[in-house]
Amino acid sequence: AQTVTQSQPEMSVQEAETVTLSCTYDTSENNYYLFWYKQPPSRQMILVIRQEAYKQQNATENRFSVNFQKAAKSFSLKISDSQLGDTAMYFCAFLPNTGNQFYFGTGTSLTVIP
Amino acid sequence: SQTIHQWPATLVQPVGSPLSLECTVEGTSNPNLYWYRQAAGRGLQLLFYSVGIGQISSEVPQNLSASRPQDRQFILSSKKLLLSDSGFYLCAWNTGVGGELFFGEGSRLTVL
Repeated sequence: AQTVTQSQPEMSVQEAETVTLSCTYDTSENNYYLFWYKQPPSRQMILVIRQEAYKQQNATENRFSVNFQKAAKSFSLKISDSQLGDTAMYFCAFLPNTGNQFYFGTGTSLTVIP
Repeated sequence: SQTIHQWPATLVQPVGSPLSLECTVEGTSNPNLYWYRQAAGRGLQLLFYSVGIGQISSEVPQNLSASRPQDRQFILSSKKLLLSDSGFYLCAWNTGVGGELFFGEGSRLTVL
């Protein structure tokens, strides 16, 4: 069975600073996909970034980047130049290549402090 | 472009009453469809997913059920609500292997 662990229930960061959210997962699969989702206080969940496990290069999307360590089964999200609009719940998710079921972590509540 | 609509946005129901939450997707065909429940301050619990019309996989045995009467329509139902059914329900879809999930805006259910 696949599990996703986010060990930081809450985090805060000063505006313009950098913060890293951690995520680890457990799987016996070799091919899979990893995602970070953002859920702002308005509630609609949106994709932040997506990583394909067979790609060694870390995904980046503007101020968002990941540190994907396949051997360690670690998938952390780095947010650079934090903005007030980054305040949200962040969920890490795992999708095996062989299935349709997503596995989500319990989330990290991030607060950006002005 | 693809869009997902979920309604109602807010629902207050008495214990023992029925439930129907509806979700439709536009702009794509044969999507995978999902129902999740999110308890306050917690993660997402997968309730049901569907890879095609009439094909429903249930992840959590409970008094909820799901149906997919049309390709892009997914309905979450209950005949008799329990207090424990209160929560935030999210519908989502993706296009298949490796595809990201697109979420609806959610339905807040309060059972009194």
